[in-house]
Amino acid sequence: DVKVTQSSRYLVKRTGEKVFLECVQDMDHENMFWYRQDPGLGLRLIYFSYDVKMKEKGDIPEGYSVSREKKERFSLILESASTNQTSMYLCASNFGGSGRGEQFFGPGTRLTVL
Amino acid sequence: AQTVTQSQPEMSVQEAETVTLSCTYDTSESDYYLFWYKQPPSRQMILVIRQEAYKQQNATENRFSVNFQKAAKSFSLKISDSQLGDAAMYFCAYRRGSGGYQKVTFGTGTKLQVIP
Repeated sequence: DVKVTQSSRYLVKRTGEKVFLECVQDMDHENMFWYRQDPGLGLRLIYFSYDVKMKEKGDIPEGYSVSREKKERFSLILESASTNQTSMYLCASNFGGSGRGEQFFGPGTRLTVL
Repeated sequence: AQTVTQSQPEMSVQEAETVTLSCTYDTSESDYYLFWYKQPPSRQMILVIRQEAYKQQNATENRFSVNFQKAAKSFSLKISDSQLGDAAMYFCAYRRGSGGYQKVTFGTGTKLQVIP
């Protein structure tokens, strides 16, 4: 089975802190994604990566950055956390190429910024 | 830009009954995929069913089936013989078909309650 893991299920941080969210997948997927999930807004794409060291902005990249130094690991960084970044963060991955596109999701990290 | 609309924020169904969740999308592409994902409470999101736009036949997966109306840009999910384990958030999603790293656009979700 494909496994996508995230470093924390719950995280509480203070305003202004630098926050790292880690995601690891074990299926050698080329693509990895970070989403933010908020009630009534669905999933919104923050960033995605299609290869090591490659990244593309999604719909809401402001206030976030990402890092992909190894194929299996994709990190989301909040440079200076703010209360409006309190949310559920979902990582996902899938194969590149002209595949059927299914994404495999991690369990999510519920981040609270105080 | 592609958009996906789920107009039913919440729905409920009696156990063993059938329920249909609605989804419409907007695209100018001819080659694309549509998905329904399920997110149970406090659990990981998983794929329920997938439809390739070039296929006329509606996809089915056990108790789950879709009604894909390409011209109307409608993609509804039917759950038959509803079970308590079907209670979850359901997201409709769209992905353009060509290319390696295509963005997926999600709807806002429908919360399904199953009443015993």
